[in-house]
Amino acid sequence: GEDVEQSLFLSVREGDSSVINCTYTDSSSTYLYWYKQEPGAGLQLLTYIFSNMDMKQDQRLTVLLNKKDKHLSLRIADTQTGDSAIYFCAEILTTSGTYKYIFGTGTRLKVLA
Amino acid sequence: NAGVTQTPKFQVLKTGQSMTLQCAQDMNHNSMYWYRQDPGMGLRLIYYSASEGTTDKGEVPNGYNVSRLNKREFSLRLESAAPSQTSVYFCASSLDRRSPQHFGDGTRLSIL
Repeated sequence: GEDVEQSLFLSVREGDSSVINCTYTDSSSTYLYWYKQEPGAGLQLLTYIFSNMDMKQDQRLTVLLNKKDKHLSLRIADTQTGDSAIYFCAEILTTSGTYKYIFGTGTRLKVLA
Repeated sequence: NAGVTQTPKFQVLKTGQSMTLQCAQDMNHNSMYWYRQDPGMGLRLIYYSASEGTTDKGEVPNGYNVSRLNKREFSLRLESAAPSQTSVYFCASSLDRRSPQHFGDGTRLSIL
């Protein structure tokens, strides 16, 4: 199927690390993205990883990619209250030469002070 | 740097009324999209325009029409609004269909 799966909720304490997981559908997907949605706003691109990479680090964010298991994760170090938001992963499916964006259902991260 | 601008931000309609949601981008992007976001359902693609002059149906096109007016603007029209169309609508654009999408802040639409 074309469902990109994420757990619905995650709650962490301020200062701890958060790990948000995503299972995508197509092991040949070349682009995988993480977006953040704050209340009342649209989605904002956080980071991305290409399929020829296993890991990407960007300041407090670390993206890990396991192509064999089609598993993507986003780790946020030293989580702050401002990180409370909904996080979406997205993959690009290639079908018959065209591209299709598939978003996950989103993980709502709540950071407790 | 406006990015993607959507108007209006909020709207309340009565069943059967029509309206057009406007979207404009200033990033010279080729591709534009309309999504709806409902609780527990994530984002669902309504229509997209891969490039100026083309439009295609997405996952949930029934009850909607779109117009790619020019490279900058992509509008979404509800011809006869129904309560099931109560949702938050997002417009997005991207350089091409593989590139990251940039989103507007959404239109919150309630249909009574």
